[in-house]
Amino acid sequence: QSALTQPPSASGSPGQSVTISCTGTSSDVGGYNYVSWYQQHPGEAPKLMMYDVSKRPSGVPDRFSGSKSGNTASLTVSGLQAEDEADYYCNSFAGTYNVFGSGTKVTVL
Amino acid sequence: QVQLVQSGDEVKKPGASVKVSCKASGYSFTSYGITWVRQAPGQGLEWMGWISTYDDNMNYGQNLQGRLTMTTDTSTTTAYMELRSLTSDDTAVYYCARDAPGATFDHWGQGTLVTVST
Repeated sequence: QSALTQPPSASGSPGQSVTISCTGTSSDVGGYNYVSWYQQHPGEAPKLMMYDVSKRPSGVPDRFSGSKSGNTASLTVSGLQAEDEADYYCNSFAGTYNVFGSGTKVTVL
Repeated sequence: QVQLVQSGDEVKKPGASVKVSCKASGYSFTSYGITWVRQAPGQGLEWMGWISTYDDNMNYGQNLQGRLTMTTDTSTTTAYMELRSLTSDDTAVYYCARDAPGATFDHWGQGTLVTVST
């Protein structure tokens, strides 16, 4: 049950786009379309931003989009805004358990 | 509105046990499972386990098996997480989350800080 691999950091200027990758195996990311993404601001609980790879919950801006290819899922934030600066975690269903990614700190320059 | 309200912060000595509660409201309790997640200081999220509120079926994370027990009380719409034989490595914020179809954690509790210290 090893953590999914995410880049430790990503950054972009306001208005730019940033893409975060989440790499697993055929037993988790590659085996199911149950990848979700969570945003966490310091001192707060995580917030669901994407589920079932590419579905946005109500209230999440359409600047956020998700995709998957093979064992790697991705979250793209377009039109970066200051409030997007946060930690982001992916999660994948893996049959009898779930596994989170290692987390990516997104900085808005 | 959906709410998950957790019990207060705890300080425990090594070797002790801790039990954290998660009171759910605003939805049909038995229609969604509950997942527990923890986050050590400055670290990432760790999936601990899942319990069905319908039939108490459960799955635990491999590294916590034997020390972790999850239960639910449908009469009070409350989920519980008990962790035994605590060590300093168990110092973390513990979260409960509503588990929607597709293993999606769509609503979260506010978190409970458990500190293990002599």
